[in-house]
Amino acid sequence: DIQMTQSPSSVSASVGDRVTITCRASQGISSWLAWYQQKPGKAPKLLIYAASTLQSGVPSRFSGSGSGTDFTLTISSLQPEDFATYYCQQANSFPRTFGQGTKLDLK
Amino acid sequence: QVQLQQWGAGLLKPSETLSLTCAVYGGSFSGYYWSWIRQPPGKGLEWIGEISHVESTIYNPSLKSRVTLSVDASKDQFSLKLSSVTAADTAVYYCARGTSSWYRAYFQHWGQGTLVTVSS
Repeated sequence: DIQMTQSPSSVSASVGDRVTITCRASQGISSWLAWYQQKPGKAPKLLIYAASTLQSGVPSRFSGSGSGTDFTLTISSLQPEDFATYYCQQANSFPRTFGQGTKLDLK
Repeated sequence: QVQLQQWGAGLLKPSETLSLTCAVYGGSFSGYYWSWIRQPPGKGLEWIGEISHVESTIYNPSLKSRVTLSVDASKDQFSLKLSSVTAADTAVYYCARGTSSWYRAYFQHWGQGTLVTVSS
């Protein structure tokens, strides 16, 4: 299985801050990576796929980059609705695997 | 607009079989792969497996011996069975679909989730 490791596990930030979350794959996955946002009691929401493609309807303050084993999710200017948990997920091979999550909360 | 609606028993005893069904509304059923994903309380996401409309399946090896996925294409529904459950199987279970048949593992569409609790 490909292990996905996110850092940090949690981060505190303020509205308007720029936040970056990283995700590392245990082996190369090309650009087969997605990022999700999850709020309590809700299903995850797809934000970015193919490492850097913004899902339709997702605000442009979200961006993704990377390929191979190292990836980042950046939120350029945090909004109140962005405080949530974020997960990366590899789509390169079976079984599909997720990172452990990064909880973004209000400082 | 694609919608996934899921249902099934929420409370099981150890050794029983978990059974969930997911119905697809507002989109094509054929040509896509349909997945199940679970999330233990307060923890991360685990992919269980996927099935195509022609019942081609791929399972997570960690659960393969206990999982069965099936499809009822006539009803646009797919189902999950997990046998011999234990407390470790307590989780919210989600059905999901990818953005397209090519990007089948980018999960754009999700069911509402079903909390399944295993307790004696």
